[in-house]
Parts: sequence; structure tokens; C-alpha cells
Amino acid sequence: SYVLTQPPSVSVAPGQTARITCGGNNIGSKSVHWYQQKPGQAPVLVVYDDSDRPSGIPERFSGSNSGNTATLTISRVEAGDEADYYCQVWDSSSDHHVVFGGGTKLTVL
Amino acid sequence: QVQLVQSGAEVKKPGASVKVSCKASGYTFTGYYMHWVRQAPGQGLEWMGWINPNSGGTNYAQKFQGRVTMTRDTSISTAYMELSRLRSDDTAVYYCARARGYSSSAWFDPWGQGTLVTVSS
Repeated sequence: SYVLTQPPSVSVAPGQTARITCGGNNIGSKSVHWYQQKPGQAPVLVVYDDSDRPSGIPERFSGSNSGNTATLTISRVEAGDEADYYCQVWDSSSDHHVVFGGGTKLTVL
Repeated sequence: QVQLVQSGAEVKKPGASVKVSCKASGYTFTGYYMHWVRQAPGQGLEWMGWINPNSGGTNYAQKFQGRVTMTRDTSISTAYMELSRLRSDDTAVYYCARARGYSSSAWFDPWGQGTLVTVSS
């Protein structure tokens, strides 16, 4: 089955740029979606189709995808961005049609 | 606005079944697949399967096949997820989530608020 690998944690100071990676075999050929989850809340979509933003999501959130790595970039990080972030793809080669990464805890120092 | 509202928390004994509901509003219920995802305490997201509210067709992750049943009632725009033969490691928050985009590359937006299912003797 397809595996997505995320770093368990990323730390960044306020105002700096956070980059959260999602690794997978030839992930560049897939559409990658990203979710933000704050404690006690449901996940919220922040980027879809590699780099598109849903309405209401700040322009500070952006995504890219190439080769074996997809990246969620958060510019000018704010304290309110502290959360868990998950990447997601579809794997049509197995019954695990939807695959999530293990999640990355973003800490704002 | 588009909204998914789930049923309340449940406490079940090992071996029992649980049925979680997800009521949709603000859009055409039959126009979008509904997925179910669960999250054990302190863990990541785990996909369980989907239902096509229009046809009733389903597709389950292999891990849950034989134990999970997803159904819907289009008259009240509600999807259901029933999990049987519960074990302690089924303790988790269960989410419904509306799929958008192409079926083989869809994303989830929005999500329900989650339903905590606790399995304990």
C-alpha cells in the first residue's frame, strides 16, 4: 500500500516561514491535499490539488508537489497556525483508496 | 452554509455495535460522496470508506471489511456508519467528511464535528 511520510514535528518562530513535507513514491504524479487540525477540533482543508486554496484560507498557506515530495508552506507564521497538519492522497493501486500522512505538529516558538 | 452535524458521543461494551449519524445541510446530499475517517486518541487520521448517497454504493478499507456498514437515508439527508464487534482499539473520534473533486483525487470539505466512541467493559 502507498505510504506518506511526514516529519513528526516542525518548529518555527512567529513571522518566519514553515515548511511541512509529505514524502511518497512519485507523489508528484498525484494530487495532494492538506488539512489543519487544532486540538479538539475537526480537520479543516487548507490546500487542495497540490496548491489551490479554499475560500477563507489566507494566502500565507501555499503548496507544491514534485518528484517524491509535496510541501505545505506557511509564510509569516502566526501563533494561531500552531496545529497538526496532515497530507492526503488517493491510491488507486490498492483498496486503501485514501491515504493520510502521519501528521506533523507545527509549534510556533 | 454547507454543514455536517454528527450524533453524540457513545459508550459501548466490547463486542457491541455502534451506529453514528451524519446529517448534511446546505447542499444537495445526493451530489457528493460521503467518507468516514476515524482518529484514535493521540493518533493520526485513518480512512474507513465511502458511500455514494445517490446510489447507495459503498467502498470500505480492507481493514474494516466485514465489520463496517455505511448507509444513507436520502429523505433526511443523513449518512450512517455502523461498526460491529467493537474492540477497545476502536475507541476513537469518528468523522464524516464530504468529498469534492474528481472521485480518484477527491479532497474532504467540510468535516463533521466528530463523534467520540468509547469501547470499554
